[in-house]
Amino acid sequence: RKEVEQDPGPFNVPEGATVAFNCTYSNSASQSFFWYRQDCRKEPKLLMSVYSSGNEDGRFTAQLNRASQYISLLIRDSKLSDSATYLCVVSPWNFNKFYFGSGTKLNVKP
Amino acid sequence: DAGVIQSPRHEVTEMGQEVTLRCKPISGHNSLFWYRQTMMRGLELLIYFNNNVPIDDSGMPEDRFSAKMPNASFSTLKIQPSEPRDSAVYFCASTRGGNQETQYFGPGTRLLVL
Repeated sequence: RKEVEQDPGPFNVPEGATVAFNCTYSNSASQSFFWYRQDCRKEPKLLMSVYSSGNEDGRFTAQLNRASQYISLLIRDSKLSDSATYLCVVSPWNFNKFYFGSGTKLNVKP
Repeated sequence: DAGVIQSPRHEVTEMGQEVTLRCKPISGHNSLFWYRQTMMRGLELLIYFNNNVPIDDSGMPEDRFSAKMPNASFSTLKIQPSEPRDSAVYFCASTRGGNQETQYFGPGTRLLVL
């Protein structure tokens, strides 16, 4: 079983739409959670960390559900520039190691 | 500040040849990671170092792959001999250490083995 699983998509949405992605993780001892963004033919870059209480950064909201072992990313008022692949990342408590999901592709269309 | 630097950016080689990928982490970062990304398998961790010491190489696919970090500012990933199935994008990333830290990725090396 994979450490982190994501729906590969693609999610095709119009500009201005709200879209949400989920990601599930298998290790209940996981401690740190992140969303990374990867543009086509580029390296992944941190979008936001995910905190236990949930957190928001502008149009982006991340939530953590430890009981069900998933994290989510909500994007409001989608922009064309949000088109990218979103990678869910999980790190266990006792290792300096990061497990990446395979990514969810988002296409925002005019 | 310079980010993570990788070289070469592109490499085309023939099956059986030795390939060496290079990485310079961000100055002051204590952890360095080598990843491989393909369409089929996504982003896979190959090996990571803490303070220049290899900690976990369980992701290294086979003995043809080896990695070194002789000092805090340089690491290499070597494939010998290379095979067509090694074709992928290889990323190097560094952090300040600890699993709550942001990983900073280099631009990657696109490897094509013919």
